[in-house]
Amino acid sequence: EDQVTQSPEALRLQEGESSSLNCSYTVSGLRGLFWYRQDPGKGPEFLFTLYSAGEEKEKERLKATLTKKESFLHITAPKPEDSATYLCAVYSQGGSEKLVFGKGTKLTVNP
Amino acid sequence: DADVTQTPRNRITKTGKRIMLECSQTKGHDRMYWYRQDPGLGLQLIYYSFDVKDINKGEISDGYSVSRQAQAKFSLSLESAIPNQTALYFCATSATGVLQPQHFGDGTRLSIL
Repeated sequence: EDQVTQSPEALRLQEGESSSLNCSYTVSGLRGLFWYRQDPGKGPEFLFTLYSAGEEKEKERLKATLTKKESFLHITAPKPEDSATYLCAVYSQGGSEKLVFGKGTKLTVNP
Repeated sequence: DADVTQTPRNRITKTGKRIMLECSQTKGHDRMYWYRQDPGLGLQLIYYSFDVKDINKGEISDGYSVSRQAQAKFSLSLESAIPNQTALYFCATSATGVLQPQHFGDGTRLSIL
């Protein structure tokens, strides 16, 4: 069974304090890994798709990387507006056409 | 205007009632999905549809049914609501093709007393 584990569950940072969120996965052949951002009272908002180990994607202060077992979402010099829950999800070769989501990391950035 | 619109945004109802949640989209996508989100759990897929004539069960379809009325409309029904169906429900859409990202509505918060 495909599994996605995100850590930590919650992370508090000071503005400007860089850090990383982790998404580890156990799947029968990774086809793609997705990162989403979810604000309170809103639906998840798509950020990145990563397809193969070694791939990196960047958007503003966020950079997503992928290895054969996990993905990292690096946040450089975060601002309070980066506060949100970040979700990771995978498509696998063995599963049906569906995304398997992790439980998310709730990030709080204090000014 | 939102690309994926869910109605209602909030609903409180009683055990045993029939509930319908509606989703409409202006993105022109063929694929649509219904998820539920519970505190401390990941999003779980209830049903998905790849076109108007295609409906598939997800991992937690028991107690739910769906209807794809048109390319742009996908509704979720709870025939006889029970308290453990209290959750946040999301509709999502994606384009046809390999590994297309899903785009979500802002959800319906459903409480069943």
